[in-house]
Amino acid sequence: QVQLQESGPGLVKPSQTLSLTCTVSGGSITSYYWSWIRQPPGKGLEWIGYIYSSGGTNYHPSLKSRVTISIDTSKNQFSLQLSSVTAADTAIYYCARERAYRFDCWGQGTLVTVSS
Amino acid sequence: EIVLTQSPGTLSLSPGERATLSCRASQSVSSTYLAWYQQKPGQAPRLLIYGASSRATGIPDRFSGSGSGTDFTLTISRLEPEDFAVYYCQLYGSSPLFSFGQGTKLEIK
Repeated sequence: QVQLQESGPGLVKPSQTLSLTCTVSGGSITSYYWSWIRQPPGKGLEWIGYIYSSGGTNYHPSLKSRVTISIDTSKNQFSLQLSSVTAADTAIYYCARERAYRFDCWGQGTLVTVSS
Repeated sequence: EIVLTQSPGTLSLSPGERATLSCRASQSVSSTYLAWYQQKPGQAPRLLIYGASSRATGIPDRFSGSGSGTDFTLTISRLEPEDFAVYYCQLYGSSPLFSFGQGTKLEIK
C-alpha cells in the first residue's frame, strides 16, 4: 500500500520561498506522475503541478513563474518550491499520485501559513 | 480554460435518502477524464469515481457516477451517516492540466 507524507516548515514569511517534500513509501516513485495540490482554509482544491519520475514537469499557468517541482528517485521523494509567497499562498498542501487522469493516492496534507 | 461548476453548493438530506450531485463543464469533455472525490473534515480527498462511472478500489456500490459531454452526476443511492462530506469533481485536460469544481457540501438534514 503506497503512502505519501508531506514534510516542511509550517510557517513561511512573506516574500520567502515555501519548500515542502513528499516521501513515498510502500512502493516505487518510478513510472508515475506526482502532483502537488493545495487547499486554502475552508476553500476548494487547486492543482499546482506535477513531475514524472523521469523529471518532466507541468505547472498551473497562474503559478508557473513561481513554482519548481523536483524529484529524487534515490530517496523516493519529490519536492515543491514556491517563491515570493504572500498570504494568498496560505493553504493545506497535499502531495498525490496521479494515475490515468485521476489522483488515487494522497498524503495527509500539511498546513503552511504565510505570515511575518 | 474549461470550468467545472458543481451544484448545488449545499445539499441537505437525511440518512437513507438518495443524493444527486451535479458537475457541469463549460464545454464538452471526454468522460474518461472526469473523476469524483469525497473529503471529510481534516482529511485528504479520497478518490470515489474515475472515468465518470468507474468506482475506485474499495468504494461501496451505493456510489455511482454517470454522464457525458458537459453534464456529469454523482449519485449516492442510500445515504449512510459517513457519507456526509464535501464532494469534488475533477477534470484532466485543457489548461490548467487538472482542475476541480468548487465542491458540494452534503450535510445532514
